[in-house]
Amino acid sequence: GAVVSQHPSWVICKSGTSVKIECRSLDFQATTMFWYRQFPKQSLMLMATSNEGSKATYEQGVEKDKFLINHASLTLSTLTVTSAHPEDSSFYICSATGTSGEQYFGPGTRLTVT
Amino acid sequence: TQLLEQSPQFLSIQEGENLTVYCNSSSVFSSLQWYRQEPGEGPVLLVTVVTGGEVKKLKRLTFQFGDARKDSSLHITAAQPGDTGLYLCAGARWGKLQFGAGTQVVVTP
Repeated sequence: GAVVSQHPSWVICKSGTSVKIECRSLDFQATTMFWYRQFPKQSLMLMATSNEGSKATYEQGVEKDKFLINHASLTLSTLTVTSAHPEDSSFYICSATGTSGEQYFGPGTRLTVT
Repeated sequence: TQLLEQSPQFLSIQEGENLTVYCNSSSVFSSLQWYRQEPGEGPVLLVTVVTGGEVKKLKRLTFQFGDARKDSSLHITAAQPGDTGLYLCAGARWGKLQFGAGTQVVVTP
């Protein structure tokens, strides 16, 4: 149980375009989903917290207009990187929390902006 | 500034040896979680510790939560090459996780 999937697993896009990443909880309903970013050889940095049906809460320093988060249902959250630039290239990981309160992580999405 | 300090940052040992990874903070957490992450994958939850002084064992892995709930340790007995990975501790506060910088463990045959 407690499986979280992400799609796509990797994506390459051109500078200036937008990219959407999906995060799904497959066998449980996620009251809250989180989006993290991880640069090479670094730890996970929380970007935002999203609850179904409400606006996401962004961490300090994360541009909400650049990283659009939509939590449309209890099993799906999406992160859209708008007007992507090479410095946005990173490993994006989502997690989902069920009733136990523990976070279960997706496999991550490798974004490369050329 | 890293709220959770992990040490060491890197550990390379031979198969069969023991190792300990430490996770320290000046803050109190409601719970602390340990994850292992492989390259190109998301972190996988190993254990959650909640009670100060708690000790949990998972096969050859022993996890301890400090009495004051500010620090934790992970001890691996008789390490195997399959234990290689990035070990991350994460403290829970107000429903969010704050991660340590991670400890890269390499176990060579």
